[in-house]
Amino acid sequence: DQQVKQNSPSLSVQEGRISILNCDYTNSMFDYFLWYKKYPAEGPTFLISISSIKDKNEDGRFTVFLNKSAKHLSLHIVPSQPGDSAVYFCAASVGTGGGADGLTFGKGTHLIIQP
Amino acid sequence: ETGVTQSPTHLIKTRGQQVTLRCSSQSGHNTVSWYQQALGQGPQFIFQYYREEENGRGNFPPRFSGLQFPNYSSELNVNALELDDSALYLCASSLEDGRETQYFGPGTRLLVL
Repeated sequence: DQQVKQNSPSLSVQEGRISILNCDYTNSMFDYFLWYKKYPAEGPTFLISISSIKDKNEDGRFTVFLNKSAKHLSLHIVPSQPGDSAVYFCAASVGTGGGADGLTFGKGTHLIIQP
Repeated sequence: ETGVTQSPTHLIKTRGQQVTLRCSSQSGHNTVSWYQQALGQGPQFIFQYYREEENGRGNFPPRFSGLQFPNYSSELNVNALELDDSALYLCASSLEDGRETQYFGPGTRLLVL
């Protein structure tokens, strides 16, 4: 049973446009959400996070939106740049860092930025 | 500040063998978590160590075990390797009992033949 779902395995966006990556979760106990970015042959790199007490968090070109009633979050990247081409993982946890239960990840979305 | 490092980068083993993977935490971090990432999947939580004690465990059998040392570095041991253990093994470190953001190493790619 997948508790964190990323239903788009891949997404292609033109350079300079907005990239929107989506994530759904089923476990109501999750109260902290993170996005990680992964290049081939590297480990996941932390991008941005959001607590369930907020509905939006912004960091430069990256904004995460959380809709608790829909159990849905999204990552917006604007403007998209060629270096943003990577696999993006949505992760969720009970508590800030996952604690003793760790992080629960989706399967990832491969974002491709077209020149 | 030194990031999370893992060794070796790649490893090939045969079914039934045992393997030890190593991880050095980011400077100042006292918590280490291990994840298994199979091909086409997201990372899956194996277990977490905090101050040398196992602090939590995911849905993995006992043949997956670990250690954390006084300098907060860590080992993941897998006994009786199976073909399905072929995966990328990721180590992540964080502050304070996993209550802070986890930062990942580059991983060890294990192939079981």
